[in-house]
Amino acid sequence: DTGVSQDPRHKITKRGQNVTFRCDPISEHNRLYWYRQTLGQGPEFLTYFQNEAQLEKSRLLSDRFSAERPKGSFSTLEIQRTEQGDSAMYLCASSLTSGSTGELFFGEGSRLTVL
Amino acid sequence: QKEVEQDPGPLSVPEGAIVSLNCTYSNSAFQYFMWYRQYSRKGPELLMYTYSSGNKEDGRFTAQVDKSSKYISLFIRDSQPSDSATYLCAMSPGSNYKLTFGKGTLLTVNP
Repeated sequence: DTGVSQDPRHKITKRGQNVTFRCDPISEHNRLYWYRQTLGQGPEFLTYFQNEAQLEKSRLLSDRFSAERPKGSFSTLEIQRTEQGDSAMYLCASSLTSGSTGELFFGEGSRLTVL
Repeated sequence: QKEVEQDPGPLSVPEGAIVSLNCTYSNSAFQYFMWYRQYSRKGPELLMYTYSSGNKEDGRFTAQVDKSSKYISLFIRDSQPSDSATYLCAMSPGSNYKLTFGKGTLLTVNP
């Protein structure tokens, strides 16, 4: 399968713990995006990378959140000192820098439950 | 006011019905308009993509963009139970750039 891969698919943690999610984009895609989706809402933009450079971060990305994309390949999203409000689906997407459709290809998401 | 407004529904229709979904937006910088379909506990997948104003048709699906009214629509003809999903409108000021999504409309097509 050559789509966007996310791991783990579901993570249950206790409040105050740190969690890390991994995203492997489609191999030739140099842009990578993180979104958060809560129940009944559309995905909300968190941050995006072009190659290894983090080009934009949303105000939603508090100091407890950090994202990296070393070597411009896979990316990690870490949440420190989790809170119950962090419970959500974390979606990763990738795209080319330019293209005819501008399509973002999404992974299946990593669901976080904070108890 | 959110940048993109979408009626969350839910919308329930009989098989074979014509479905109309729509979104309004406030940011005039949006130039690229998309509809994504999301099945339960899955990631969104692109259905339709339109640049600027106009219509686009793909099989049973038609997307319309009216930039003067800041209004976009998706029509599904001859709806099927397999069309049951959440439909998300999304838009962006640039190609291959971050998307701003609506809340999504939950559609159920009953056999």
